Amino acid sequence: ETGVTQTPRHLVMGMTNKKSLKCEQHLGHNAMYWYKQSAKKPLELMFVYSLEERVENNSVPSRFSPECPNSSHLFLHLHTLQPEDSALYLCASSQDPTGTGYEQYFGPGTRLTVT
Amino acid sequence: AQSVAQPEDQVNVAEGNPLTVKCTYSVSGNPYLFWYVQYPNRGLQFLLKYITGDNLVKGSYGFEAEFNKSQTSFHLKKPSALVSDSALYFCAVRDRRRYGGATNKLIFGTGTLLAVQP
Repeated sequence: ETGVTQTPRHLVMGMTNKKSLKCEQHLGHNAMYWYKQSAKKPLELMFVYSLEERVENNSVPSRFSPECPNSSHLFLHLHTLQPEDSALYLCASSQDPTGTGYEQYFGPGTRLTVT
Repeated sequence: AQSVAQPEDQVNVAEGNPLTVKCTYSVSGNPYLFWYVQYPNRGLQFLLKYITGDNLVKGSYGFEAEFNKSQTSFHLKKPSALVSDSALYFCAVRDRRRYGGATNKLIFGTGTLLAVQP
């Protein structure tokens, strides 16, 4: 295991539901990331948190709302999603984001299906 | 624009044969390059990275990669493939643009599916 856990592993939700994805890292890292992985497309970086502060939002729709209460936990709150939001959502963490050459460690992902 | 390309969607190799998964990059300045592997229903696992120094980098599970500056390539290699190496492989380059204090963004390729036949 990589030291990054994600729950739930699978989630099916209707378009009117509200749900949250959770990520926890046990590596002492200072940066955390949310990615979206869809079939036949490159990994899409959604959000970056550095020292618990959001430092990047890659033009993600407001129906996705991240939260980073501390350096070990990251959430992705979901509401009124669309079927095209169905994908694998990956969380990652890395060491000091102002450093260079630090690899990211990924969780196993949450497979989200929007019906 | 900074980018990384994996020209092959799929690579097929027989078990025991050497394998190569190709990656080329486009980035200003010195590149920081990474390889990741993704097994079915799993997240990405870090394999190896090139930051500086020796052009041949050794990583996990017997994999290695060769940095070639003149060809702007960072191909992943293994001398003898195993069936268990079958997975999706991603090349990535560090995004050198700055966003606040976070410079450790990665730009990923589209992935190459490696299929090793017994």
